[in-house]
Amino acid sequence: EVQLVESGGGLVKPGGSLRLSCAASGFTFSTHSMNWVRQAPGKGLEWVSSISSSSSYIYYADSVKGRFTISRDNAKNSLYLQMNSLRAEDTAVYYCARDPTTVVTTYWYFDLWGRGTLVTVSS
Amino acid sequence: DIQMTQSPSTLSASVGDRVTITCRASQSINSWLAWYQQKPGKAPKLLIYQASSLESGVPSRFSGSGSGTEFTLTISSLQPEDFAIYYCQQYNGYSPDFGPGTKVDIK
Repeated sequence: EVQLVESGGGLVKPGGSLRLSCAASGFTFSTHSMNWVRQAPGKGLEWVSSISSSSSYIYYADSVKGRFTISRDNAKNSLYLQMNSLRAEDTAVYYCARDPTTVVTTYWYFDLWGRGTLVTVSS
Repeated sequence: DIQMTQSPSTLSASVGDRVTITCRASQSINSWLAWYQQKPGKAPKLLIYQASSLESGVPSRFSGSGSGTEFTLTISSLQPEDFAIYYCQQYNGYSPDFGPGTKVDIK
């Protein structure tokens, strides 16, 4: 089955750190750019970060730049998000999302999503 | 950043109704627009990409149109399973932006 499964969410204090993981299965993970997208409780969707298939190109939203680090391990079919210096406004469900990448093009929309993992930043 | 707006923010409709949602971009994004459907407690689901291309497996009652700065998502005959929140997303560049969403609820 083609799927993405996130893990690693939880309750963390402001200023703390958390590492999210996303396990991919059922497709050739190493050929797709991957993304993290978040959704604060009761709010809309916000793109967080993107990483190309070979990790050569990495992008971040201004709201997380310098605090979050995206990475991937193609041998393990896994995507990661290291989150440091967490703030209350980082509280959200974090989704792992696949780009429908071809050999020549990254598209920047998202054709497969995981179920998400909740990160709560609170003292 | 490109600002995305959607109208209306909430839409009340009945089963069988034709429903249209509008998405506007603050600058031209050509046809680099996607539409997603999200139901409560679930992940978003891709419906339309490149403004008018239907994602595989999505019912043909969904359609998209537009280019430049104004886009529409149309549901030709609303079904019970279509009550959800719909988001547009621009992907003209390296910083994708979502619209605020349109909630389609039961009239």
